[in-house]
Amino acid sequence: QKEVEQDPGPLSVPEGAIVSLNCTYSNSAFQYFMWYRQYSRKGPELLMYTYSSGNKEDGRFTAQVDKSSKYISLFIRDSQPSDSATYLCAMPGANSKLTFGKGITLSVRP
Amino acid sequence: DSGVTQTPKHLITATGQRVTLRCSPRSGDLSVYWYQQSLDQGLQFLIQYYNGEERAKGNILERFSAQQFPDLHSELNLSSLELGDSALYFCASSPYLRGTPDTQYFGPGTRLTVL
Repeated sequence: QKEVEQDPGPLSVPEGAIVSLNCTYSNSAFQYFMWYRQYSRKGPELLMYTYSSGNKEDGRFTAQVDKSSKYISLFIRDSQPSDSATYLCAMPGANSKLTFGKGITLSVRP
Repeated sequence: DSGVTQTPKHLITATGQRVTLRCSPRSGDLSVYWYQQSLDQGLQFLIQYYNGEERAKGNILERFSAQQFPDLHSELNLSSLELGDSALYFCASSPYLRGTPDTQYFGPGTRLTVL
């Protein structure tokens, strides 16, 4: 079993839809939970991170962590075509090395 | 623009060859990470350097090596290349402050194609 599993894609939604992206993890030592966004032909960029269980909101984005279930989610409200990208969950381990999910490619149709 | 630069952008070479990928971290960042991204494996951590010293190793093949120089730029050397080494190679840098989530800033990547 991989340490971080991410729902496979791709995912295509109409503009304005609510998008839910999910990951599960197996390593209880993970304390921080990150979401990276990667546009085509670019490097990943940090979208947001959370430390504890619960929700964290940043504009149209909400990150949710359930440590008891080892399950994290990223919600995107009022999705826009500019949100079309690959989204990767990531968890820092020892020395901050990141373990990534495989990523899910989201396409938001105008 | 993350402030991390990588050269070259693209590299096409043949099996058995050796290549060097270069990374310049953001100004002030002491930590450099190398990652490999392929379609089947996703984004995988290779190796980390902090202020010139190796700090952590991931799934890095013995044919691969890296170093960080006194000016903090880093190079990833890939030798005896195989078809399966074709991938995107990313460098990331961070200030690596203990006790906080270490935000890593990724470069644009080098796309390596081994023919």
